[in-house]
Amino acid sequence: TQLLEQSPQFLSIQEGENLTVYCNSSSVFSSLQWYRQEPGEGPVLLVTVVTGGEVKKLKRLTFQFGDARKDSSLHITAAQPGDTGLYLCARGSTLGRLYFGRGTQLTVWP
Amino acid sequence: EAGVAQSPRYKIIEKRQSVAFWCNPISGHATLYWYQQILGQGPKLLIQFQNNGVVDDSQLPKDRFSAERLKGVDSTLKIQPAKLEDSAVYLCASSLEWDSRSKNIQYFGAGTRLSVL
Repeated sequence: TQLLEQSPQFLSIQEGENLTVYCNSSSVFSSLQWYRQEPGEGPVLLVTVVTGGEVKKLKRLTFQFGDARKDSSLHITAAQPGDTGLYLCARGSTLGRLYFGRGTQLTVWP
Repeated sequence: EAGVAQSPRYKIIEKRQSVAFWCNPISGHATLYWYQQILGQGPKLLIQFQNNGVVDDSQLPKDRFSAERLKGVDSTLKIQPAKLEDSAVYLCASSLEWDSRSKNIQYFGAGTRLSVL
């Protein structure tokens, strides 16, 4: 059973477009992490959000944690081909392990 | 600072054969994780070590999978015998030390892509 639902599963857009991907859960979690995984590489941490309603920006990427701490979104402005990759959300646990969603596979065409 | 090293990068075997993967975590990282990532899915934890002790192996198929971290540094993950459904990328990750107050930042290696024919 997937504890984190990510949508959409696939997204294919042209360079310069904006996009939003979502991560939802029926459970409340204390923090959530977003990772990007490029082909042939391991996931790389982008951001950790902790507080309900929190918004964090990383250049053209904007991360938001829902007020109820059950959902999160990642918005990319003016996407570039270098943004291509698998975007994963993950939540932690009391033992330290991470639970990942299935991810959103983003392709940005030049 | 060197990252998490994994080898081999790719492995192709036939079903019922054995295979082993190796991981060397970032120097000084006490916690080491092995994840399995099947195509189209997110990584799923197989086993977690704190130094040379097992913290969580609840998702490890112990009839065929084994892992060790004898000296609390590098680790090996073994599959014997392999099944078709074991085809996946096996990712190793490490973190400084697990702490309930920490943000548990894990650093991942590039993974080993296993194909079982």
